[in-house]
Amino acid sequence: GAVVSQHPSRVICKSGTSVKIECRSLDFQATTMFWYRQFPKQSLMLMATSNEGSKATYEQGVEKDKFLINHASLTLSTLTVTSAHPEDSSFYICSAPEGSQETQYFGPGTRLLVL
Amino acid sequence: QKEVEQNSGPLSVPEGAIASLNCTYSDRGSQSFFWYRQYSGKSPELIMFIYSNGDKEDGRFTAQLNKASQYVSLLIRDSQPSDSATYLCAVSGGGYNKLIFGAGTRLAVHP
Repeated sequence: GAVVSQHPSRVICKSGTSVKIECRSLDFQATTMFWYRQFPKQSLMLMATSNEGSKATYEQGVEKDKFLINHASLTLSTLTVTSAHPEDSSFYICSAPEGSQETQYFGPGTRLLVL
Repeated sequence: QKEVEQNSGPLSVPEGAIASLNCTYSDRGSQSFFWYRQYSGKSPELIMFIYSNGDKEDGRFTAQLNKASQYVSLLIRDSQPSDSATYLCAVSGGGYNKLIFGAGTRLAVHP
């Protein structure tokens, strides 16, 4: 299957700082990538759809000014959590569709802890 | 509101048995159906996808789709303790190929 990487895998930051998470498709190009958030013992929640060359599409209830998404190239999307607070602590996972049926492959995730 | 429903479990099966995981979805227009496995603390890993009615087999896994009943299932034969994980059913919800996920079924395979 296709490979998607994320960096960093884990980050701890102070409240009020911004954190950038990178998502890369390693062996294929992705005009669309997806960002999810997962709290402990809960399912994945889609936050936004990242589109190469255009603005991201955010799901209802997700603050676009707080979660900045930039799809800089066909292999890279970044999610920046601005002015992070403890309630933003979560597991952030990206995915990218690949193949004729556009099966989604997930990155390994980034665990964010805001102190 | 498009929904995907799964029994949260835990589903407990003995080693070597068949584990049966079920999923129903509300959007009759759904076209693509996926099963992902997620170990604790890890991201989801694709197990199988299915697009057509009927069965699709891959090794110990069989996915079954019944669009008329809006039902998709995953059978795991010869279950192993390493199969213990949460299994997520996902349905293509249209629009940029967004996936709608169920809450997941936790499977526990005991020796």
